Amino acid sequence: NAGVMQNPRHLVRRRGQEARLRCSPMKGHSHVYWYRQLPEEGLKFMVYLQKENIIDESGMPKERFSAEFPKEGPSILRIQQVVRGDSAAYFCASSPRQGTADTQYFGPGTRLTVL
Amino acid sequence: AQSVSQHNHHVILSEAASLELGCNYSYGGTVNLFWYVQYPGQHLQLLLKYFSGDPLVKGIKGFEAEFIKSKFSFNLRKPSVQWSDTAEYFCAVNPLGNEKLTFGTGTRLTIIP
Repeated sequence: NAGVMQNPRHLVRRRGQEARLRCSPMKGHSHVYWYRQLPEEGLKFMVYLQKENIIDESGMPKERFSAEFPKEGPSILRIQQVVRGDSAAYFCASSPRQGTADTQYFGPGTRLTVL
Repeated sequence: AQSVSQHNHHVILSEAASLELGCNYSYGGTVNLFWYVQYPGQHLQLLLKYFSGDPLVKGIKGFEAEFIKSKFSFNLRKPSVQWSDTAEYFCAVNPLGNEKLTFGTGTRLTIIP
């Protein structure tokens, strides 16, 4: 029973390039959450998606960042024109349905390094 | 907005010592509470959670946590730690009706054999 999958595990980009991070939720889960962990900090919520819908993007930076969760395929977090400050670990979590009684299960994360 | 404080940034203990990691949150309403653990090189795993009922919650690997509403606290405990408990521990909350988790900054636990 596969857990939450994220790829790539490590991503190196130069300033100005684009970064695309992928997240495949656990089987049967239709809710995806993205969190960012900056060095020496806790995880910070970025965005919450259901299939084809963005439910809450209150934690997303206003520019350069976007997320999607299409009907088919993984959820994608896209960072355009990356800057050094984007270097962080990006974690995806999934849950089976809406409702705060559900637990979010986390993937292994993608560590983005911007040179 | 809610916030979570973990006052111990790095804790070093010897094997068999007792452990208590502090977690305090600020939010006036009803919350769900979680402790997650991240072992070296691995992803976040759920240790235990509190939604309602008995405020003393037992989790995996001998961990437990007590929700004290009057103190806005959810401290993690283990009576006798093992070397394999070396990891980073994160406390998290989400208010009832809100899907997003708010995390503390984490506590790095190092167990000396």
